[in-house]
Amino acid sequence: DGGITQSPKYLFRKEGQNVTLSCEQNLNHDAMYWYRQDPGQGLRLIYYSQIVNDFQKGDIAEGYSVSREKKESFPLTVTSAQKNPTAFYLCASSTLPQGLGNQPQHFGDGTRLSIL
Amino acid sequence: AQSVTQLDSHVSVSEGTPVLLRCNYSSSYSPSLFWYVQHPNKGLQLLLKYTSAATLVKGINGFEAEFKKSETSFHLTKPSAHMSDAAEYFCVATNSGGSNYKLTFGKGTLLTVNP
Repeated sequence: DGGITQSPKYLFRKEGQNVTLSCEQNLNHDAMYWYRQDPGQGLRLIYYSQIVNDFQKGDIAEGYSVSREKKESFPLTVTSAQKNPTAFYLCASSTLPQGLGNQPQHFGDGTRLSIL
Repeated sequence: AQSVTQLDSHVSVSEGTPVLLRCNYSSSYSPSLFWYVQHPNKGLQLLLKYTSAATLVKGINGFEAEFKKSETSFHLTKPSAHMSDAAEYFCVATNSGGSNYKLTFGKGTLLTVNP
């Protein structure tokens, strides 16, 4: 079955440590996205990429970094500069816009990051 | 600027009764609108989408939504709630025909279904 796989499901970070969240998709989608979800705040965009080797900052990129070396992979690194990293992180992908309307994004099952 | 307002943070219904989750949007352009559902510790699943075709949109699991431009609303309904409908629901907007990276999310409505 086609879909988006995020790993690990749960992740713990120590102070001063960088951690990397994995996101892989086999939907052949060009665009991939990372969101952060906090209770009562909906989803906020961290980074997005519409093509390999290119990515753009979203609304809350500070303290995060990404890479897009392969079409199917878009890992997110939460750096020690991110002072409040505890959240649920969601990866999504979509085709690029075609014709009228926009294409929906497909989401993985998320990674919950906590501070030790 | 685009914005999405979900008018209720929490809706509670009894099993078998109708569901109404309200969403208003504001946009300078013709929007594309989506409803997503999220079960605990899961990702978001697309329920339905409006992209300037029919104003009444049917989705999965018996849900439907009606786009009303005059009221700038896109409310989600279901005639009869099921226990499995208990989840959080997000109304989402983006600009039709533009780059689809910029989704604007509502803050979510938690639906509780009582037996």
